[in-house]
Amino acid sequence: DAKTTQPPSMDCAEGRAANLPCNHSTISGNEYVYWYRQIHSQGPQYIIHGLKNNETNEMASLIITEDRKSSTLILPHATLRDTAVYYCIVRVDGYQGAQKLVFGQGTRLTINP
Amino acid sequence: KAGVTQTPRYLIKTRGQQVTLSCSPISGHRSVSWYQQTPGQGLQFLFEYFSETQRNKGNFPGRFSGRQFSNSRSEMNVSTLELGDSALYLCASRRTITADTQYFGPGTRLTVL
Repeated sequence: DAKTTQPPSMDCAEGRAANLPCNHSTISGNEYVYWYRQIHSQGPQYIIHGLKNNETNEMASLIITEDRKSSTLILPHATLRDTAVYYCIVRVDGYQGAQKLVFGQGTRLTINP
Repeated sequence: KAGVTQTPRYLIKTRGQQVTLSCSPISGHRSVSWYQQTPGQGLQFLFEYFSETQRNKGNFPGRFSGRQFSNSRSEMNVSTLELGDSALYLCASRRTITADTQYFGPGTRLTVL
């Protein structure tokens, strides 16, 4: 049922941009890509989502390739507090608005001082 | 505005017992979803409720059940507990059945001995 593939771990220097890749080659045309992060086994925190176009908010940017088979989450200026597990997720919609999030295995991002 | 709250935060049970977990969504949110997180399987969708009706269900045995009340609070029940049910159980809420973003609670850590 896994729809996304991510590297298990990445490192990034504090203050630099962190670029987290995700492959979702089997994604369907109407399925959204979401990113959440999880710190110390707390509940996942929403970051951003998109369908086809690139998206940006106060936390991050999401770049989705034209064929929608992969995407990249960009944290523009990483801080130590961004150390977390980042999940690339496909949202699968069901009948009458029902949704489920299909999580990948996540990337453990470590921000180094 | 208060976030999603889950009670209890920690729970220890023995095999064969049953357990009930509670979730209060963000005020005004009417959809509640449940997820199970284990080291081996990662985060997996259990079910979603809206307007007291189950709208979506994941691939879990019938021992896992849930319900939603008229005030949108939700409970999930696991009967005849097995060792493999040890997990972090996460609840997420969204405003309506068409809203895009799910907001997660801190989870309930269930340990089955």
